[in-house]
Amino acid sequence: NAGVTQTPKFQVLKTGQSMTLQCAQDMNHEYMSWYRQDPGMGLRLIHYSVGAGITDQGEVPNGYNVSRSTTEDFPLRLLSAAPSQTSVYFCASSYDPWPGELFFGEGSRLTVL
Amino acid sequence: DAKTTQPNSMESNEEEPVHLPCNHSTISGTDYIHWYRQLPSQGPEYVIHGLTSNVNNRMASLAIAEDRKSSTLILHRATLRDAAVYYCIPAGTSGSRLTFGEGTQLTVNP
Repeated sequence: NAGVTQTPKFQVLKTGQSMTLQCAQDMNHEYMSWYRQDPGMGLRLIHYSVGAGITDQGEVPNGYNVSRSTTEDFPLRLLSAAPSQTSVYFCASSYDPWPGELFFGEGSRLTVL
Repeated sequence: DAKTTQPNSMESNEEEPVHLPCNHSTISGTDYIHWYRQLPSQGPEYVIHGLTSNVNNRMASLAIAEDRKSSTLILHRATLRDAAVYYCIPAGTSGSRLTFGEGTQLTVNP
């Protein structure tokens, strides 16, 4: 049972570089989302999607892009990495948005130098 | 979003019950109360959710006050594996838009 798979698990970038964090789920969930978690803090919502072709912004969307071309995949793109984006990123999915049980990936730890 | 208040930390002994409180006095009538937990170096995992009635599952029980302004997550017999940060999250629109606060760090002593 794969569930929600995130890649890579670890990444180091230089300021200004771009990269994509991958997220895939095999549970046929319509709803997917990205969170970031800074040290000692709770999770903050970056972007979310209620289905293929539909995305929307969360609390902290600046500096990130998303797209949802398939039900399974929801990649998060960092356009020009900044040290403030150093964080652990979690992807989550759910079948039913109301009330919804979120399934989380194991996280991707990103360091921007 | 409803504002929540949880203790920063709590301690328990192994095999004893644990009651984790949460105040959500601004909760709306359609908000469900969700609980998640996050073990060290892992993503959060779902624990339980409810609307008005008390709820039980294999992991925990959720007791919701009659006025819905507070709730309590009950772990009936704490184990070392239950040491985690527990998040109480009222959410009324979409499960994919749950907003996590700072939660309660639960320490379980052997």
